[in-house]
Amino acid sequence: DVKVTQSSRYLVKRTGEKVFLECVQDMDHENMFWYRQDPGLGLRLIYFSYDVKMKEKGDIPEGYSVSREKKERFSLILESASTNQTSMYLCASSILAGTSTDTQYFGPGTRLTVL
Amino acid sequence: AQKITQTQPGMFVQEKEAVTLDCTYDTSDPSYGLFWYKQPSSGEMIFLIYQGSYDQQNATEGRYSLNFQKARKSANLVISASQLGDSAMYFCAMREDLSNDYKLSFGAGTTVTVRA
Repeated sequence: DVKVTQSSRYLVKRTGEKVFLECVQDMDHENMFWYRQDPGLGLRLIYFSYDVKMKEKGDIPEGYSVSREKKERFSLILESASTNQTSMYLCASSILAGTSTDTQYFGPGTRLTVL
Repeated sequence: AQKITQTQPGMFVQEKEAVTLDCTYDTSDPSYGLFWYKQPSSGEMIFLIYQGSYDQQNATEGRYSLNFQKARKSANLVISASQLGDSAMYFCAMREDLSNDYKLSFGAGTTVTVRA
């Protein structure tokens, strides 16, 4: 079974803090993704990566950066957290097959609150 | 423009009955895939079922089936014989092969509550 883990289930931070969200997958997947989920908006893609040290902007990258130094680990960084970044953050991974059949497998999510 | 539309914010269904969750999509890609995910209150997104745009038959996985109507651009999920454990939020998603790299576009979700 694919296993995607996220470092924290719940996180509370203060405005202006630098925040790191970590994601690890154990299935040797090439692709990794970071989404945020807000009520009524579904999931929106922040960044994704299709290889080590590679990253691509998603639909809402502003205020975020990412790091992928190892294949199994994909980090989301909030350089200076703001209250509008309070959300549920979901990490996912998939193989690099390049077809529509690729299934993304998700971690349990991190619920971040910025005060 | 919204790529995935789920028009039902919430639904109630009686245990052991079937329920249909609506999903319509918008794409000009000839090749695409449609996915349904379940998200229980615990938060994890669980993959349920996949339908490819060139698949001739509707996908089925146990109690889940996908009613794929290509001309109408709809991909409704049918859950048969509902169980209390089916109470969750359900998301429809699409991946376009030519125009959208490896990204999935998600709908806003439908909350299903199964009543005993």
